[in-house]
Amino acid sequence: EDQVTQSPEALRLQEGESSSLNCSYTVSGLRGLFWYRQDPGKGPEFLFTLYSAGEEKEKERLKATLTKKESFLHITAPKPEDSATYLCAVQASFFGGYQKVTFGTGTKLQVIP
Amino acid sequence: EPEVTQTPSHQVTQMGQEVILRCVPISNHLYFYWYRQILGQKVEFLVSFYNNEISEKSEIFDDQFSVERPDGSNFTLKIRSTKLEDSAMYFCASSVPPGAANEKLFFGSGTQLSVL
Repeated sequence: EDQVTQSPEALRLQEGESSSLNCSYTVSGLRGLFWYRQDPGKGPEFLFTLYSAGEEKEKERLKATLTKKESFLHITAPKPEDSATYLCAVQASFFGGYQKVTFGTGTKLQVIP
Repeated sequence: EPEVTQTPSHQVTQMGQEVILRCVPISNHLYFYWYRQILGQKVEFLVSFYNNEISEKSEIFDDQFSVERPDGSNFTLKIRSTKLEDSAMYFCASSVPPGAANEKLFFGSGTQLSVL
């Protein structure tokens, strides 16, 4: 069964204090690893898809990286508006049809001015 | 940017009653999904739907649940006889076909279901 473990569960940063969120995964052949942002009472909002080890993607202050066992979401000089829960999810390889996306429990990030 | 629309945003029902949650996926998407999130827990897959049939479902999606695409725009989730443990935020999502460019799940804002 696919598993996703995120750490830490919660993270409190001062504005401008860079840090990283971790996502460890086990999956029977990785098709894709996804990062989503979720604000309270809202649906997950897509950030990145990573497909193979060594791949990196960036968007504003966020950078996602991928190894064969884990992914990191690096947050550089965060601002209060980056406060949210960040979700990691994996999708296993499949042949035809659809393979479900399995989510982790998320890291709740709070950035203090 | 196009978005997935869900109604209602909140639904309160009595245990044993039937509820229908409604979703309008993004118009050019072909794959539709329901996920749910119990308060404080992770987002869980319920079902995927393609070409007017279920393509995959989880063990949560038992005989009390059904999905339907009654017309060209709506996608619904029906719970026939609600239980207390069905209380959760239900998210609809849609996507382009697997393998297509820009493949990702677009989520709606959710329906908060409270079963009393």
